[in-house]
Amino acid sequence: ETGVTQSPTHLIKTRGQQVTLRCSSQSGHNTVSWYQQALGQGPQFIFQYYREEENGRGNFPPRFSGLQFPNYSSELNVNALELDDSALYLCASSSSWRGEQFFGPGTRLTVL
Amino acid sequence: GENVEQHPSTLSVQEGDSAVIKCTYSDSASNYFPWYKQELGKGPQLIIDIRSNVGEKKDQRIAVTLNKTAKHFSLHITETQPEDSAVYFCAATPLGGSQGNLIFGKGTKLSVKP
Repeated sequence: ETGVTQSPTHLIKTRGQQVTLRCSSQSGHNTVSWYQQALGQGPQFIFQYYREEENGRGNFPPRFSGLQFPNYSSELNVNALELDDSALYLCASSSSWRGEQFFGPGTRLTVL
Repeated sequence: GENVEQHPSTLSVQEGDSAVIKCTYSDSASNYFPWYKQELGKGPQLIIDIRSNVGEKKDQRIAVTLNKTAKHFSLHITETQPEDSAVYFCAATPLGGSQGNLIFGKGTKLSVKP
């Protein structure tokens, strides 16, 4: 069974740029959630995708957007990057009939 | 909205001792409470979870208790080992949220001294 994978591992961008992060869900899972984890903090929910539709959103502005593909992999897009967007971005997948969330290793984004 | 408070922020124990981490939540409708372990440079790893129809759950050296009346839940680790050293997060699902919409505490850094 393949776990949750994310790419890239690290990324450096400058303020105002756009970034796309990718996530492949665990085999058999059809739900993907994205979280932002600032240094020394707990993860904060950004949004969730279920069957290619957004299924819940946290307190993040519209410049954070996402997609889910028919194979249940997902992308997180962030436009007009700000310095405060520097964080570890985590993807978690789950099967819709079970509650357990399984996280990937994350993408470390640095905005200069 | 839901708010999760976690204490202590740091915890240092001797190998073999027990460790207890406590969390409180604000939304009485929350019904799913997972605990995650995060090692340096890695994503959070689910170690145990509990649902609101259960008061206690054990898995080897790890146990979680839930008091819905008081709106708090705790993680208990017995016979701690150096490899238990990590940051531990509690979480809860808010009202109306799927179990993917988790609200996390700020974490507890556990250090187990050999």
